Amino acid sequence: GQQLNQSPQSMFIQEGEDVSMNCTSSSIFNTWLWYKQDPGEGPVLLIALYKAGELTSNGRLTAQFGITRKDSFLNISASIPSDVGIYFCAGPSSGAGSYQLTFGKGTKLSVIP
Amino acid sequence: DSGVTQTPKHLITATGQRVTLRCSPRSGDLSVYWYQQSLDQGLQFLIQYYNGEERAKGNILERFSAQQFPDLHSELNLSSLELGDSALYFCASSGQGGNSPLHFGNGTRLTVT
Repeated sequence: GQQLNQSPQSMFIQEGEDVSMNCTSSSIFNTWLWYKQDPGEGPVLLIALYKAGELTSNGRLTAQFGITRKDSFLNISASIPSDVGIYFCAGPSSGAGSYQLTFGKGTKLSVIP
Repeated sequence: DSGVTQTPKHLITATGQRVTLRCSPRSGDLSVYWYQQSLDQGLQFLIQYYNGEERAKGNILERFSAQQFPDLHSELNLSSLELGDSALYFCASSGQGGNSPLHFGNGTRLTVT
């Protein structure tokens, strides 16, 4: 089946630093989604990308849909303590009429005040 | 608040027992998805329902079953529980558009002792 590889697995950064993480796949995706999960809560959608090459921002977050359609990047600028959490990339699995998502294993972000 | 409601928040039960998890999707969403999140496997798609009918199946065990009712709420039934079934179970819902992202509830944490 389709697999998404996220890197890094975890990162510790100083408050105020910029963060970059990425997600790669062995197969093509037509949509890339980035979710964040806080402890004890469900994943929350941050950014959705629908077109190869697309660059989309949501506040301090910017995500890009890779030209090859096999990768995506998420950047967080000027990190703050509430950015702590696990960031997941996801893409829809194949299958007509269904929108089941395949998730990466996540990047765990820790921000040191 | 994603608008997806899951109950109960926590569930502790013994091996061999049967439990039912409940999910109310966002208002207007016809699709409901169930995911299992464990430490070693990440977020795994279990099953999808659309407007009361099963639409797609993922890595769902035969001991597990689900249904979606006419009012669109869904239940996930887990039977003959094993220790390895301990995990977070998330419900998500989406709208009718082919690219409608999934919105997740806050999950039910199941502990099997």
